Amino acid sequence: KQEVTQIPAALSVPEGENLVLNCSFTDSAIYNLQWFRQDPGKGLTSLLLIQSSQREQTSGRLNASLDKSSGRSTLYIAASQPGDSATYLCAVTYNDMRFGAGTRLTVKP
Amino acid sequence: EAQVTQNPRYLITVTGKKLTVTCSQNMNHEYMSWYRQDPGLGLRQIYYSMNVEVTDKGDVPEGYKVSRKEKRNFPLILESPSPNQTSLYFCASSLEAPNTEAFFGQGTRLTVV
Repeated sequence: KQEVTQIPAALSVPEGENLVLNCSFTDSAIYNLQWFRQDPGKGLTSLLLIQSSQREQTSGRLNASLDKSSGRSTLYIAASQPGDSATYLCAVTYNDMRFGAGTRLTVKP
Repeated sequence: EAQVTQNPRYLITVTGKKLTVTCSQNMNHEYMSWYRQDPGLGLRQIYYSMNVEVTDKGDVPEGYKVSRKEKRNFPLILESPSPNQTSLYFCASSLEAPNTEAFFGQGTRLTVV
C-alpha cells in the first residue's frame, strides 16, 4: 500500500528565504505526482503536476522535482512571501490518489 | 469558469438523518472522486468514478454511497450519518483516470451530532 510522507510538518521562515518542502512515497509505480496548496477553510489548488517520466516542473517561483526511483519529490519555493503561507500537500497517483499529511508553511514579514 | 462545485459548504445534522452532498463539474471530466480530510490523517479517498455508471471504493468507503448517473454529477450520500463522519469533505475531478491534473471543490464541512 502506497504511503506518502511529508517533512517537515510545519515550517516558519522569514520573508525572502528560499525553502524546500519534501515528499516521499513508498511505491515507485506512479503515474504522476502533484503538489497542491491549501489555504485555511479552502479547497486545494493545484500548483504543479509532474508526470512519472519527467524530472521537474517549474511555475514562477516554484520548482518541483521528482526522483521516482528513490521515491522522493521536493518543492522549492524561491524568495518566499507572506502570501505563500498555506499548507502544501503532495499526492501521488496510480489507480487512486494518495496524499501526504502536508507541510504547514508560515512566511513572516 | 472551469470549476468543481460542492453543496452545501457547511452542514450540521443529527445522527441517523440521511443527507446528500452534491458535486458538479463543468469540465467534461471523466474521473471524479470524494475525499475526507481529518486532522493528522490527511486526505483519504472515499469513492471514485472512472466514468458514468462506473464507481469503486477508495480507502474509507464504509458508511457512504455514491452514484454517477451523468458525467457532470457525483453526489455523496450518507444514509445514516454518525459522529465519526464529522469531517471536511472534498470532491475532485480530472480529465481521465487519476493520472491527469486534479481539480478540487471548495469543500463541505460536515458536523454530525
